Amino acid sequence: GQQLNQSPQSMFIQEGEDVSMNCTSSSIFNTWLWYKQDPGEGPVLLIALYKAGELTSNGRLTAQFGITRKDSFLNISASIPSDVGIYFCAGQPGSTSGTYKYIFGTGTRLKVLA
Amino acid sequence: SQTIHQWPATLVQPVGSPLSLECTVEGTSNPNLYWYRQAAGRGLQLLFYSVGIGQISSEVPQNLSASRPQDRQFILSSKKLLLSDSGFYLCAWSPPVYSGNTIYFGEGSWLTVV
Repeated sequence: GQQLNQSPQSMFIQEGEDVSMNCTSSSIFNTWLWYKQDPGEGPVLLIALYKAGELTSNGRLTAQFGITRKDSFLNISASIPSDVGIYFCAGQPGSTSGTYKYIFGTGTRLKVLA
Repeated sequence: SQTIHQWPATLVQPVGSPLSLECTVEGTSNPNLYWYRQAAGRGLQLLFYSVGIGQISSEVPQNLSASRPQDRQFILSSKKLLLSDSGFYLCAWSPPVYSGNTIYFGEGSWLTVV
């Protein structure tokens, strides 16, 4: 099935460092969502973006909806050990036929070294 | 507030046996409902989505089927499981398209076919 290009695939960082990850698509999206998934659990919504250019923060997390509507990034500042997990981006395609679908990125696996 | 539950959380089934995973949503009406599958260490693949009772769209040709007998109930089934059906299955819901563009996940169900 269709997937977004998410990078990097994995990251090993030191506690206190900032983290950046992004997603790109070849088609326009109406919505960008960012999730965190812990092992054996369902993804939990972190940030939702609904307008091109929108910049939204949730604590130490900041995400932006790209101007072209084809990309989004997520930044985590001052990482802590509990940030470990898999981060997924998700987009809702802009075409009418794709209104109900959410396409997911391949995930970024984050490991924080204390 | 809205909640989503799916069960069972874990199951081990022999090849050729039937499957039934159930999902229910509370606190909302006429939700869009989804089934995703996640292979180990991989992204989320959309299997089915539904915009109303009895309305099922399949995204990937496969050994599985979905049904929506009630507004807030979504069932994933198989008549005969294959080894390749093993994975982490996630049910999800989103508000009706006219009121929001965010998708929320259940706790997930681990299926191991042996």
